[in-house]
Amino acid sequence: FLLTQPHSVSESPGKTVTISCTRSSGSIARSYVQWYQQRPGSTPTTVIFEDSQRPSGVPDRFSGSIDSSSNSASLTISGLRTEDEADYYCQSYDINNHWVFGGGTKVTVL
Amino acid sequence: EVQLVESGGGLVKPGGSLRLSCAVSGIIFSDAWMSWVRQAPGKGLEWVGRIKNKRDGATTEYALPVNGRFAISRDDSRDTLFLQMNSLKTEDTAVYYCATDLSLVVPGAWDYWGQGSLVTVSS
Repeated sequence: FLLTQPHSVSESPGKTVTISCTRSSGSIARSYVQWYQQRPGSTPTTVIFEDSQRPSGVPDRFSGSIDSSSNSASLTISGLRTEDEADYYCQSYDINNHWVFGGGTKVTVL
Repeated sequence: EVQLVESGGGLVKPGGSLRLSCAVSGIIFSDAWMSWVRQAPGKGLEWVGRIKNKRDGATTEYALPVNGRFAISRDDSRDTLFLQMNSLKTEDTAVYYCATDLSLVVPGAWDYWGQGSLVTVSS
C-alpha cells in the first residue's frame, strides 16, 4: 500500500496546520502510524508514535490522530513556530511489518 | 540518553562493497530490533531492512531493492549494528540511517535515529 501526503503546506506563525497521510489500501487502523520531523540538514526525530502518542520532550502543540472514514492519519501542529519548519513523514507497517513511509510534507512557516 | 552513531560511509565504485556500523547506547541493545533507513539526495525516506533480537531469532528482512545484495548483522557484545552492502549501484547513493525498531514490539516505545552516514556510489 501507499501512504500519500501533500507535498507542502504553509501557514503563518501562531496558526495551525494539519498534514494528512492517506493509506491507499487496507485499514489505517490496521497498524500504528508514526510521524517524524526532519529539519533541514538534520536527522529525523519522532514527534508522534502509536497514532497519537507524544515522546517525552515533544511539545503538546503536536498531536496525531487517525480517521477510519477517510482512511487517513493526521498530524496537527498548533501555535506554529519558525522552528517547526521542516519535512514531516508519516510511517506505518505493511503486512510483513516492514516500514512504509509517506512521501513527506514540507511545512513552511510564512 | 539514547545515542546511535553511524560510521563507515564514503565513496565507492559501482559493483563495490562497503560496510556501515552503528554504535548504540542508552538502550538495552540486545533486546532491541534495529532497522536501516536510507534517503537519496533530495528525496524521501526508504526502509532498507531490519534485524530482530536474538530472542526472536535474530532474523533479517530486507526491502526488495536491496534483497540479496545487502546484509544486516549485529554484535550484542559491542552494542553495534552493521550493514554490509555489496554489488552497489549508483541508485544506492544515499544517507543511511540506523534506527531503533521498538515501536512495533514494545508498547509505549518510540524510535530513535542516528545522525546518518553518506554513501556515494560513483565511478
